[in-house]
Amino acid sequence: NAGVTQTPKFQVLKTGQSMTLQCAQDMNHNSMYWYRQDPGMGLRLIYYSASEGTTDKGEVPNGYNVSRLNKREFSLRLESAAPSQTSVYFCASSEAGLAGDRDTQYFGPGTRLTVL
Amino acid sequence: ILNVEQSPQSLHVQEGDSTNFTCSFPSSNFYALHWYRWETAKSPEALFVMTLNGDEKKKGRISATLNTKEGYSYLYIKGSQPEDSATYLCALSGTASKLTFGTGTRLQVTL
Repeated sequence: NAGVTQTPKFQVLKTGQSMTLQCAQDMNHNSMYWYRQDPGMGLRLIYYSASEGTTDKGEVPNGYNVSRLNKREFSLRLESAAPSQTSVYFCASSEAGLAGDRDTQYFGPGTRLTVL
Repeated sequence: ILNVEQSPQSLHVQEGDSTNFTCSFPSSNFYALHWYRWETAKSPEALFVMTLNGDEKKKGRISATLNTKEGYSYLYIKGSQPEDSATYLCALSGTASKLTFGTGTRLQVTL
């Protein structure tokens, strides 16, 4: 099993460009998440999908959109990138829905995004 | 938004030292507390999940305790080794299985 995979690993964008970060998991997990990690800020939740077909905003959703394409895949889109979106982005998944709030999240390797 | 605080922010210890750090959280509406280990240039990996007051978990030289009544958890590392160098995150479960992370304790173990 590959676990949680993310593409790309690195990306440089110019202000105003758009891009989609891809995430896939092969653990048959119900829930998927997108986080950003900035120095001194810890991991902050952007969007999450509690189950296939649903998405909800997290702590810092502005400037992002998501799509839960199917149970395996959860993509994050930046429509018009801004320098403030320079960050490391992590996707994660968890069983959730079966074990309630006692589940563990499994993280992908991250995408390092720079917006110039 | 749940407030999860970790202290200290960073820590330098010598190989062989034992150390511990703290995660504090609001004691009301508690579901579960998670500890993660995050090495530089890698992704966070789960260490423990604890749900009950008084829970203690152990994995090798690392252990954790939980006090839900007073809202804190301790992570202990016995006989620190250089490979223990990492950031240790705690996270609190909320609704819809969302996790709220603390900012972490960065541990550096030197020879």
